[in-house]
Amino acid sequence: SAVISQKPSRDICQRGTSLTIQCQVDSQVTMMFWYRQQPGQSLTLIATANQGSEATYESGFVIDKFPISRPNLTFSTLTVSNMSPEDSSIYLCSVEEGETGHTYEQYFGPGTRLTVT
Amino acid sequence: RKEVEQDPGPFNVPEGATVAFNCTYSNSASQSFFWYRQDCRKEPKLLMSVYSSGNEDGRFTAQLNRASQYISLLIRDSKLSDSATYLCVVNRDDKIIFGKGTRLHILP
Repeated sequence: SAVISQKPSRDICQRGTSLTIQCQVDSQVTMMFWYRQQPGQSLTLIATANQGSEATYESGFVIDKFPISRPNLTFSTLTVSNMSPEDSSIYLCSVEEGETGHTYEQYFGPGTRLTVT
Repeated sequence: RKEVEQDPGPFNVPEGATVAFNCTYSNSASQSFFWYRQDCRKEPKLLMSVYSSGNEDGRFTAQLNRASQYISLLIRDSKLSDSATYLCVVNRDDKIIFGKGTRLHILP
C-alpha cells in the first residue's frame, strides 16, 4: 500500500490563526481525502481533494474554512482557517487504492493533532 | 438512525479467548465493507475487507450478512496486542462511512 506522510504531526495554535497541513504520498494516487476525528468520535469526511480542480466538500464543510490544494497526484494540503477551539481535532489524509472491478481500500496518513487555544 | 452502528464496548476479554462483534448498517445499497483497527492516538489501519462469502485472515474472520444488514468480526486466540478500537466501515455510492468503533481490551 502507499506510504503517506503528514506534516506537522501536531501543533498548538491560537484562535483566529490558520494552519496548513501537508500530505505527501510516495506514489501517484487518483483519490485523496481529508478527514477529521474529534476526541472520542469516529472519522468524518471533510472533502475529496481533486487534482486540477476544486475539492468536493461534504455537508457542513466549506471551502472558506477548509481550503484544499491538490497540485499533483502525490500531494495535497488542507488549511484550517480562522481557527477556534472547536477545530481541535486530528486531521487525517487518506488515499484510495484498488483495481477497477475490485474493492477500493483506503489507507491513512499518521494524522495531525491540532489543539486550538 | 445512524447509518453504521457499533457497540462501543469496551469488551474486556481474557487473553486466548475468542471475541466477536457486529456492526449493523442501515442502507441496503451499501456495496463494500471493511474492518479497520485504530490504536490509541494512531491512524486507522485496514484490517480486512469483508467479502460476501466471508473471509479469514489468520485469527481473524469477517462475515457479511446482507439479509440482516450486518457484518461481524471474530478474533480467535486473542493476544494482548489485539487491544484496540475496531472500526466498521461501509462504502455506499463511493461514500465511505465509518462507525464509531468498538473498543477491545485484552486482559492478561
